[in-house]
Amino acid sequence: GAVVSQHPSWVICKSGTSVKIECRSLDFQATTMFWYRQFPKQSLMLMATSNEGSKATYEQGVEKDKFLINHASLTLSTLTVTSAHPEDSSFYICSARDPAAGDTGELFFGEGSRLTVL
Amino acid sequence: GQNIDQPTEMTATEGAIVQINCTYQTSGFNGLFWYQQHAGEAPTFLSYNVLDGLEEKGRFSSFLSRSKGYSYLLLKELQMKDSASYLCAARDSNYQLIWGAGTKLIIKP
Repeated sequence: GAVVSQHPSWVICKSGTSVKIECRSLDFQATTMFWYRQFPKQSLMLMATSNEGSKATYEQGVEKDKFLINHASLTLSTLTVTSAHPEDSSFYICSARDPAAGDTGELFFGEGSRLTVL
Repeated sequence: GQNIDQPTEMTATEGAIVQINCTYQTSGFNGLFWYQQHAGEAPTFLSYNVLDGLEEKGRFSSFLSRSKGYSYLLLKELQMKDSASYLCAARDSNYQLIWGAGTKLIIKP
């Protein structure tokens, strides 16, 4: 199946700093990527839909200025957590659909990035 | 509102069969997905149902009843590596995925 790669897998940062997480589709072009946040023992929470060449669509309650999303190419989307605080500590996961995968709409997920803000 | 319900946790024995149920309420319906997620890892796709009935894929099968808003994931010949969380997700009329909280499956020897 299609491969989505996410980097870094783990990141620890000091409060007040910014952290960038990259999501790449390695063997297909993804016009749309999705960013999720997941707290322990909880479901995936969609944060935003990243659209190549245009602004991301944020879900209600997600701060656009806090979580900056850039989708500059068909294979790369980035999520930047700005001025991170301990409450931003979480597991962040990206996903994308491979257009060649047919109508199932199967999502291919990156490995996830665990952010810890001290 | 839109909602997905699935049990929080289930326990089963190695070699046995387990059925994980999922009920959903969505604005429109465009398919039901099951994903497997091992602790600390990203979800991986297991199955997709859009029509009523049973889809079999090796040891895993998934069933859908659209009239009842119900699906289940059936795992046969359980192996220790099947210990994971199983996420049910329904796609609504806007093609948005509504995710359940996941069912943590514990396999005992």
